[in-house]
Amino acid sequence: SQTIHQWPATLVQPVGSPLSLECTVEGTSNPNLYWYRQAAGRGLQLLFYSVGIGQISSEVPQNLSASRPQDRQFILSSKKLLLSDSGFYLCAWGGQGDGYTFGSGTRLTVV
Amino acid sequence: LAKTTQPISMDSYEGQEVNITCSHNNIATNDYITWYQQFPSQGPRFIIQGYKTKVTNEVASLFIPADRKSSTLSLPRVSLSDTAVYYCLVGDTGTASKLTFGTGTRLQVTL
Repeated sequence: SQTIHQWPATLVQPVGSPLSLECTVEGTSNPNLYWYRQAAGRGLQLLFYSVGIGQISSEVPQNLSASRPQDRQFILSSKKLLLSDSGFYLCAWGGQGDGYTFGSGTRLTVV
Repeated sequence: LAKTTQPISMDSYEGQEVNITCSHNNIATNDYITWYQQFPSQGPRFIIQGYKTKVTNEVASLFIPADRKSSTLSLPRVSLSDTAVYYCLVGDTGTASKLTFGTGTRLQVTL
């Protein structure tokens, strides 16, 4: 069965520090991968999506970047975090007719 | 991408049937309708997906009229554990679609 792993679960980082969130998928090949962010009490905002290794599409210009170094690995990064980067970050895969499967999320607090 | 409109919140008593309607006037021919459930600090969970008429699974039913400009998620006999945010999404699941989540409907179930 397909599973998605996302870590860490929570993270507190100072302003100006770098960020690296990792997401991996098991049990499938060449998945479409997505990074979403959810601010408190808000809906999910699509940040990046990828249809293959090295292929990244950005939906919202911002302080973040994404990379896909391997087929089942998707990384969200920042060189210098801002306070506005705080939120709940979710990785997801899917889009082939069976819906999307989300990871457990990372709660990022920038202080 | 087809935009969706849902009620911001709904209240229900335990044991009742809950119907949440979503409007998607600009749905495209290839678009499917998918509903997700999200609990606090968790990723959304796929509930049900449909294209037309009626779809039923072990947790919900999805009703889609002939013009497909709206859809209704029906939750039979809700319990306290059904308290969550429910999202309606419309998109072409056959491609690397970029599903956009709205603010969803916050369902509160009480005794």
